[in-house]
Order: sequence, then C-alpha cells, then structure tokens
Amino acid sequence: QKEVEQNSGPLSVPEGAIASLNCTYSDRGSQSFFWYRQYSGKSPELIMSIYSNGDKEDGRFTAQLNKASQYVSLLIRDSQPSDSATYLCAVSPGTYKYIFGTGTRLKVLA
Amino acid sequence: GAVVSQHPSRVICKSGTSVKIECRSLDFQATTMFWYRQFPKQSLMLMATSNEGSKATYEQGVEKDKFLINHASLTLSTLTVTSAHPEDSSFYICSARDRTSGGAGGEQYFGPGTRLTVT
Repeated sequence: QKEVEQNSGPLSVPEGAIASLNCTYSDRGSQSFFWYRQYSGKSPELIMSIYSNGDKEDGRFTAQLNKASQYVSLLIRDSQPSDSATYLCAVSPGTYKYIFGTGTRLKVLA
Repeated sequence: GAVVSQHPSRVICKSGTSVKIECRSLDFQATTMFWYRQFPKQSLMLMATSNEGSKATYEQGVEKDKFLINHASLTLSTLTVTSAHPEDSSFYICSARDRTSGGAGGEQYFGPGTRLTVT
C-alpha cells in the first residue's frame, strides 16, 4: 500500500514565526510532490509543486524535497493568522493520480 | 489562470433520487479530471479518474453503477449520484489536470466542491 504520512497536528505557531510542515511517503518511485492548503469547508488550493531534490521558494513558502530520505516539507515564513488551515501533502507516483496525506492542521496564534 | 468551477455548490435531495454535479475547467483544457469525496475531518478520497472521450476508471470499492461519470469534452466532466441514500451525503470535489503543466504528475486544480445532503 503506497502511503503518504503527515502529523495531524494541530501545529500551533505564533504570528510571525516559521511554520514547518512535514510529509513522508513510501513509494520510492514517486516523482511529483505537491502542497495544498484547505480551509474548513472549502476545497484544496495548490500552494507549491516540487519535482526535484532541494528547495523551491515562492513568496513566504518554501518546499523542500529529499528523495533519498523520502520526505517533503513546507516552510511558511512570517506566519499569519490567515495561514491557519489544513495543509495536505500529495504525491504522484508517476501516474496522473495523487496520493494524499491526511493533512496537518496549522494554527497561527495572533 | 487554472480555474475550475463546480455546480451546484450545495444540493439537498431526497433518498432515492439522482443528482448530477458538473465540473468545468474554465481557462485550460483538461484531458483528465478526478472526482474525490471528503467526509468531515477526513482527507480526500479519490473516487474515479475521468478521461475525455473514454470510460472513467474507478477506485476499488467505488460502485461505478452508482456514481456515473461522463467526460464529454476537454472542459466538462459530470458525476451523477444515482439512487442517492443518506450515507452518500458528503463533500464532492472535482479536480482537473492541466496537461501543459510540468512534471510527470501534472498539477491538479480543484473545483470549489459540492456539498450533497441526502434526506
């Protein structure tokens, strides 16, 4: 069974701090990795995609991928209360399908 | 760019009736669309993969005769929940894969979801 694992949280960080979200996956052949943000009652919104080892930055968000260790992480700098949401990690094993983690709930405290 | 719409956003129907949900990619062509279901406080569960012009591929445990999927064009896929029952009440979300996006998996963009309540 191919799995994507995330700590369910909640992860609480103070406003302005860095939030670090982690995700591990079991299929070593996975090629594409995505982070989505989902507010309560809403559908997921794509934040970042990453395909190769290393860091990818987009504004306050940085995705980090380490295929050897089979983990992908998302850093959110200068966290804001509006960042409070559930963050879903999705992994694509080379097909068009995603395998989603169960999500990490982030709470940014004002 | 990469906008996906879904209609209706919310529907209440009586047990035994059928409900159709539409998913449209508004500004890109989507050869592949996906249908997910999400129960409260749970993650997304992939129901089926919908390919334009061909039959949908259903995930294990999903009844294809109950959840009818049609992908008639590069911008439209529909999900029909037939003979709905209260246990079908859920949040149904479609996504569309932008075939021009990079990576082997491609990026999926989600519609706003349809909340179905069967009474």
